[in-house]
Amino acid sequence: NAGVTQTPKFQVLKTGQSMTLQCAQDMNHNSMYWYRQDPGMGLRLIYYSASEGTTDKGEVPNGYNVSRLNKREFSLRLESAAPSQTSVYFCASSEVVIEKLFFGSGTQLSVL
Amino acid sequence: AQTVTQSQPEMSVQEAETVTLSCTYDTSESDYYLFWYKQPPSRQMILVIRQEAYKQQNATENRFSVNFQKAAKSFSLKISDSQLGDAAMYFCALEYGNKLVFGAGTILRVKS
Repeated sequence: NAGVTQTPKFQVLKTGQSMTLQCAQDMNHNSMYWYRQDPGMGLRLIYYSASEGTTDKGEVPNGYNVSRLNKREFSLRLESAAPSQTSVYFCASSEVVIEKLFFGSGTQLSVL
Repeated sequence: AQTVTQSQPEMSVQEAETVTLSCTYDTSESDYYLFWYKQPPSRQMILVIRQEAYKQQNATENRFSVNFQKAAKSFSLKISDSQLGDAAMYFCALEYGNKLVFGAGTILRVKS
């Protein structure tokens, strides 16, 4: 039972490069989320998807795009990476967040 | 806007003793949920405890309990009989619109 799977686990980019973080869940959840974690700031919501075919901005969406490819997959794209996007990125999913939010293992991204 | 504040960046506790982590929040909702999540060095996010705002009784899960003061918008976590495995980052979180907003976190160190 994999839960929420994120790839890659680590990535180093140069400023201006692009990349896509992949996320898939096998729990048939409708809602999926992308958070970033920075020291002293906790986890901040980048984008979320309440259901297949819908996406909405969170607290810190600038510089990111997302795609809800199907019910299982929710990807996060950095079109032109900046050093300020150096962070740990978490994907999460839930059916009803008041029950529990299921997290992936995170992606450590460094932008040089 | 919903906000969560954790005013203690770091706390220490002696093994077998009790420690309390503080959390305050702000919301205009009358019915909501509050959570404590634990993040050990593995980066895994683990749900510790959940409180429904309309329930007056404080939630308890084994050695973990909360002190929920709705009028004061305060939600502290008490860990009794602290163990080495309790050492982690602890995040307080508030639910809104099937999303979670997190505080900045408190690092808990456990001394043997």
